[in-house]
Amino acid sequence: SQTIHQWPATLVQPVGSPLSLECTVEGTSNPNLYWYRQAAGRGLQLLFYSVGIGQISSEVPQNLSASRPQDRQFILSSKKLLLSDSGFYLCAWSNRGTDTQYFGPGTRLTVL
Amino acid sequence: EDQVTQSPEALRLQEGESSSLNCSYTVSGLRGLFWYRQDPGKGPEFLFTLYSAGEEKEKERLKATLTKKESFLHITAPKPEDSATYLCAVQARGGGSNYKLTFGKGTLLTVNP
Repeated sequence: SQTIHQWPATLVQPVGSPLSLECTVEGTSNPNLYWYRQAAGRGLQLLFYSVGIGQISSEVPQNLSASRPQDRQFILSSKKLLLSDSGFYLCAWSNRGTDTQYFGPGTRLTVL
Repeated sequence: EDQVTQSPEALRLQEGESSSLNCSYTVSGLRGLFWYRQDPGKGPEFLFTLYSAGEEKEKERLKATLTKKESFLHITAPKPEDSATYLCAVQARGGGSNYKLTFGKGTLLTVNP
């Protein structure tokens, strides 16, 4: 069966510091991968999605970036965090040709 | 722009008291409507996908239905363990939006024993 991992689970970072969040999927090949952010009082917002290694599409312009160095690895990064980057970051995957997305456990990021 | 509105924002039920959650949507051609359950501090857990008006799906005490403008999540004889935030999302047809899910803000359900 498929499993999705995210780490770290929680993170507290100062404003202006860099960020790296990692997501890996097991038990499937060539998945579509997604990064969402869930902010307080708002719905989940799609940030990036990827249909293959090195292929990244951005939905929302911001100071975040994403990379997919391996088939089942998806990384969310920032060079300098802003206060507004605080939130719950969720990675998700779906099989090619299917619509349903399955979410990981999430990373709670607090920027102070 | 695709939009999803969920109501009520919060719902408190007694154990065994059936009710429904509403998800109203506007989308430029519906590819699918999704229901998820989210427990505090955790990622959303997939429940159902609905594709066309009139479609219904059931899982234990939950039943999801779909019309051309809204979806309902019916909860029959709920138990305290059904307490969670229920999220609704839509996916539009075609082009670059083919993968994007647009989510509502959710309904926080509390079931008291």
